[in-house]
Amino acid sequence: DIQMTQSPSSLSASVGDRVTITCRASQGISDYVAWFQQRPGKAPKSLIYAASSLHSGVPSKFSGSGSGTDFTLTISSLQPEDFATYYCQQYNHYPYTFGQGTKLEVK
Amino acid sequence: QVQLQESGPGLVKPSQTLSLTCTVSGDSISSGGYYWSWIRQHPGKGLEYIGYIYYSGTTYYNPSLRSRVTMSVDTSKNQFSLRLSSVTAADTAVYYCAREAAGSSFGSWGQGTLVTVSS
Repeated sequence: DIQMTQSPSSLSASVGDRVTITCRASQGISDYVAWFQQRPGKAPKSLIYAASSLHSGVPSKFSGSGSGTDFTLTISSLQPEDFATYYCQQYNHYPYTFGQGTKLEVK
Repeated sequence: QVQLQESGPGLVKPSQTLSLTCTVSGDSISSGGYYWSWIRQHPGKGLEYIGYIYYSGTTYYNPSLRSRVTMSVDTSKNQFSLRLSSVTAADTAVYYCAREAAGSSFGSWGQGTLVTVSS
């Protein structure tokens, strides 16, 4: 299975900040990476697919980049509703696998 | 806009079979083009991909669960289902159904349902 390693595991930031989360795949996966946001007690919400494409309705404050093994999710101008857990996922090889998550907390 | 809703028992006894159904509205499973998937999340943990079923009945199961998983689809009811046999406490999790479009991963999710395995 392809391992997806996210860093950091947790991150403290303030409203208005810009943050970046990284995800590294254990082998090359082209750009078959998605990012999800999960608020407590809720289902994951899709943000980005194909490493950098925003799902419909996702604000442009979210952006993704990368190819091969290294990927990033950047969130600009943090708002209270952005404090949540974020997951990366690879869908280049079965079984699909997710990163362990990055918890974004209020500083 | 597509909506997915999981349903099924919230409590299953050890060694029994977990059965869940996902009802789809706002889209027809039989129209094709999507992979109807199951994903689970152990309490306080990350996400685990279980597998998918296509409208034609084609399936893929995660090898870690393959010996115990069966998925089925009922296009007349616009539903797809998950069965997981011989459950143990390690199968206690929130189970999500989701729709995957080729090339864009899981764009739509159900709200999730907690299944607890306990006697």
